[in-house]
Amino acid sequence: SQQGEEDPQALSIQEGENATMNCSYKTSINNLQWYRQNSGRGLVHLILIRSNEREKHSGRLRVTLDTSKKSSSLLITASRAADTASYFCAISYNNNDMRFGAGTRLTVKP
Amino acid sequence: ETGVTQSPTHLIKTRGQQVTLRCSSQSGHNTVSWYQQALGQGPQFIFQYYREEENGRGNFPPRFSGLQFPNYSSELNVNALELDDSALYLCASSLEGQGGYEQYFGPGTRLTVT
Repeated sequence: SQQGEEDPQALSIQEGENATMNCSYKTSINNLQWYRQNSGRGLVHLILIRSNEREKHSGRLRVTLDTSKKSSSLLITASRAADTASYFCAISYNNNDMRFGAGTRLTVKP
Repeated sequence: ETGVTQSPTHLIKTRGQQVTLRCSSQSGHNTVSWYQQALGQGPQFIFQYYREEENGRGNFPPRFSGLQFPNYSSELNVNALELDDSALYLCASSLEGQGGYEQYFGPGTRLTVT
């Protein structure tokens, strides 16, 4: 499959804890993006990391990319109830195509 | 909220009918992509339009077609609707090709085929 595969499928944590989600893929990529989706609504872009980058930060989010292992991780620190959502990685092999995985469903309990 | 809008919000059609979904892009974006998202699944790429030309397509049959207009708004047309076409349809606009830039998604159109 050309799409990314997220792991775990579902994650439940307490508010204040960190959440880590992983994405694996099979062939060389152009870049990888992470998106969040609340309750079947539109997706919100979180971070784009290019194949020549290893780590990026945005607020409480940290994304790493290991091209040798063909994997990426998204870390959300000090989670809040409002972080409850589905998180998707999207793999891009060129500028005309982007493939989403099935997502990780994150639940943050107050 | 992004500047991407979609209409209608919800739609119910019967099998065999045709449907047109509409999308207005974020200002300044010349690329629009369409996705189908079944319940509990990730978005599946249908196709991308760049400056009014289709320049990328996923694994969808020809009865899924589209248009992009000079103002970069877009339509998704689906002919001969099937029950499996029931899904959330998302459009996303971006600056240049979707794979190289972040995409701005609209809220989606929920299509139900009965």
